[in-house]
Amino acid sequence: QTVLTQPPSTSETPGQRVTISCSGSSSNIGSNTVNWYQQFPGTAPKLLIYNNNQRPSGVPDRFSGSKSGTSASLAISGLQSEDEADYYCAGWDDSLHGVVFGGGTKLTVL
Amino acid sequence: QVQLVQSGAEVKNPGASVKVSCKASGYTFSGYYIHWVRQASGQGLEWMGAINPYSGGASYAQRFQGRLTLTRDTSTSTVYMDLARLTSDDTAVYYCARDLYRGSYAAYWFETWGQGTLVSVSS
Repeated sequence: QTVLTQPPSTSETPGQRVTISCSGSSSNIGSNTVNWYQQFPGTAPKLLIYNNNQRPSGVPDRFSGSKSGTSASLAISGLQSEDEADYYCAGWDDSLHGVVFGGGTKLTVL
Repeated sequence: QVQLVQSGAEVKNPGASVKVSCKASGYTFSGYYIHWVRQASGQGLEWMGAINPYSGGASYAQRFQGRLTLTRDTSTSTVYMDLARLTSDDTAVYYCARDLYRGSYAAYWFETWGQGTLVSVSS
């Protein structure tokens, strides 16, 4: 059972903007930063967003993150076919004393 | 370039232990925490624990306490993940990942990942 809640799937057409939500609680998102990872089938995850809204070097600015209260969101603008992947949110949980992940959202680019 | 290379796939019997290695290169090994994350087939990601390569100090997720041991060998820039008392539920791909933050504490931002090691537990 995952601690952070994400929609299992979402879809959008190329060029459009899509947002993926991540819902938590006061012990995780509410008091710590949120990170986002992108994962293609059969490969290791890739850090997409850290510290709520920071992009590592090399990540396009089409990807953006935000956080409000106990929820966070990942937005992808100018959607491209190569953005089709699984996306995971993650963050530290003060009650569990560990990193918790969302269940992942499968993004389909129609 | 920063790289983490993991050891090969393992097949274990229930009740056995497995030790997976993660060799780092391209950066100052002692400067960045290394984390372990696993993923069962078709499932999500699960953080297992982290080690400070400088001090050797490790922290573990509650569900792995007493069963997981993280160690490091500074002479070879290698981190080891040792998981004991394996069950079929431990069948998964195990990843090591380097923290983004360089310092004496972990930021828990997993920047660079190993290629993953499949551990299969079956009788």
